[in-house]
Amino acid sequence: EAQVTQNPRYLITVTGKKLTVTCSQNMNHEYMSWYRQDPGLGLRQIYYSMNVEVTDKGDVPEGYKVSRKEKRNFPLILESPSPNQTSLYFCASSRDPRGPYGYTFGSGTRLTVV
Amino acid sequence: AQRVTQPEKLLSVFKGAPVELKCNYSYSGSPELFWYVQYSRQRLQLLLRHISRESIKGFTADLNKGETSFHLKKPFAQEEDSAMYYCALSGRSKIIFGKGTRLHILP
Repeated sequence: EAQVTQNPRYLITVTGKKLTVTCSQNMNHEYMSWYRQDPGLGLRQIYYSMNVEVTDKGDVPEGYKVSRKEKRNFPLILESPSPNQTSLYFCASSRDPRGPYGYTFGSGTRLTVV
Repeated sequence: AQRVTQPEKLLSVFKGAPVELKCNYSYSGSPELFWYVQYSRQRLQLLLRHISRESIKGFTADLNKGETSFHLKKPFAQEEDSAMYYCALSGRSKIIFGKGTRLHILP
């Protein structure tokens, strides 16, 4: 089944403790992206990757890092999480974001930073 | 500037009544437009895209380049349509989302 898999689904952590949210897709998509979803703000892009070893900042990259060492994986790293990073995070992939294909989304990771 | 505007945060409609979720966009070029739906506690799913001109779950959307709109319509609302709906535009390097409209179907 074609899918984007995120782990974990839920995570509670303390301020300053480094964490990684994993994202993997099995569709051989070149484009992958991370979004955060907050009430009233919709979906905001954090980082995206057009291909292996090619990453770029989205609209809200501060406090986040990503890497793209292989096509299928695109982990999101929070080096020193803070409470304002409490949010619902979605990973997504696409064959081509400029075309008519749209995104396939993961199930989301609900992160709480205390 | 590339932008997607959904003017309504919340839309309440009685079951059986027509539904129209508004979406306006700003884009210099030929846009690729989409509607995504997010049911409670679930992932976002692609509902439809303008290029395929299809009807999914009774919903349709027509691209109006003159009015720069891509409104989502359904003639008769059903209770299972209650969800969050996002309009999206495929830009030069990413897909841009509106802030979403929560559709609430009243019994």
